[in-house]
Amino acid sequence: QKEVEQDPGPLSVPEGAIVSLNCTYSNSAFQYFMWYRQYSRKGPELLMYTYSSGNKEDGRFTAQVDKSSKYISLFIRDSQPSDSATYLCAMTSSGGGADGLTFGKGTHLIIQP
Amino acid sequence: DTAVSQTPKYLVTQMGNDKSIKCEQNLGHDTMYWYKQDSKKFLKIMFSYNNKELIINETVPNRFSPKSPDKAHLNLHINSLELGDSAVYFCASSFRDRDSQYFGPGTRLTVL
Repeated sequence: QKEVEQDPGPLSVPEGAIVSLNCTYSNSAFQYFMWYRQYSRKGPELLMYTYSSGNKEDGRFTAQVDKSSKYISLFIRDSQPSDSATYLCAMTSSGGGADGLTFGKGTHLIIQP
Repeated sequence: DTAVSQTPKYLVTQMGNDKSIKCEQNLGHDTMYWYKQDSKKFLKIMFSYNNKELIINETVPNRFSPKSPDKAHLNLHINSLELGDSAVYFCASSFRDRDSQYFGPGTRLTVL
């Protein structure tokens, strides 16, 4: 079983829809969670960072963490064609310490105009 | 004003050659990383350096040798390149006491 599971998609939704992206993980040591967006042939761009169970909102993006279920989500409201990209969840056990991030394989999201 | 930069952006070379990739960050971070993204887009940590000291060295062939001349730079030298080394290599940086890492644009390595 991989440490982090993420449906690769593609996930195709119409413009304006609410998008839900999810990851599950098996290692209970993971305490810090991130979502990255990666456009084709570009580097991953940090979108959200959270370390506690519950919701964190930033503009159209909401990150949700449920540590008891080992499940994290990213919601995108009022989705735009420019949101079309691959979304990667990432996590780590440390609160610092120069540890590498453990990534999911990414979900390819397509927003249809 | 690029935050994390890498050179070259593309690298095409023959099997058996030796090549280097350079990374620089101007964010004032004290920790830098190398990741490898394979053909299936899976991103995996290779190395991390904090203040020029090697912190993480994942299961990577010893043909790969990172070098950090100072906190702002982390280079990756690869000896005797193999077909399986073809991938996109990303540099990232962060503060050691934070988990948020910032990535460079990647170097696409193709070994023929």
